[in-house]
Amino acid sequence: AQSVTQLDSQVPVFEEAPVELRCNYSSSVSVYLFWYVQYPNQGLQLLLKYLSGSTLVKGINGFEAEFNKSQTSFHLRKPSVHISDTAEYFCAVLNSGYSTLTFGKGTMLLVSP
Amino acid sequence: DGGITQSPKYLFRKEGQNVTLSCEQNLNHDAMYWYRQDPGQGLRLIYYSQIVNDFQKGDIAEGYSVSREKKESFPLTVTSAQKNPTAFYLCASSSVSATNEKLFFGSGTQLSVL
Repeated sequence: AQSVTQLDSQVPVFEEAPVELRCNYSSSVSVYLFWYVQYPNQGLQLLLKYLSGSTLVKGINGFEAEFNKSQTSFHLRKPSVHISDTAEYFCAVLNSGYSTLTFGKGTMLLVSP
Repeated sequence: DGGITQSPKYLFRKEGQNVTLSCEQNLNHDAMYWYRQDPGQGLRLIYYSQIVNDFQKGDIAEGYSVSREKKESFPLTVTSAQKNPTAFYLCASSSVSATNEKLFFGSGTQLSVL
């Protein structure tokens, strides 16, 4: 079965500090990886995705993620966060042979002044 | 504006009652999905449909039913057999592709039991 693990349920951080949200996935020959963001009482929006090619992926709102095959990780990073980045972030995986995404349990990013 | 519309935003269910959540999209997407979101549980797939008049069970289909009579619409019925229906329900759609590379989500329906 395909699976994804988000190790931190909450990450508190001060404004303008860097942040990393961790994601590990079950290994497969071919894997596609995604980060989605959810603001309160809303649906999810795609932040970025890795399908193939460069392992460093840049997304919207200054976020980026790095695909690391040897460590089966796809951690999300931002060098300087804003209050408006407070939201829940979901990592998702699609392995070869599967037709639907599997989501992690989410990480709540709490940015304070 | 193209997008996905879920209604109602809030819904209350009495014991033994069936309720139906609406999901409509005007993105001309072939595939549609229903997810259930519980605090700390992430998103779990209930049902999905990749083409009209066809749908498949997801990971937690018991106590739910769906229909896909039109491309634009994918309603979800929470039946009385679902003993713990209180959750946030999200509908999504995507164009059918091998990578399923982007899901578009509605704004969700919060279902609570009276």
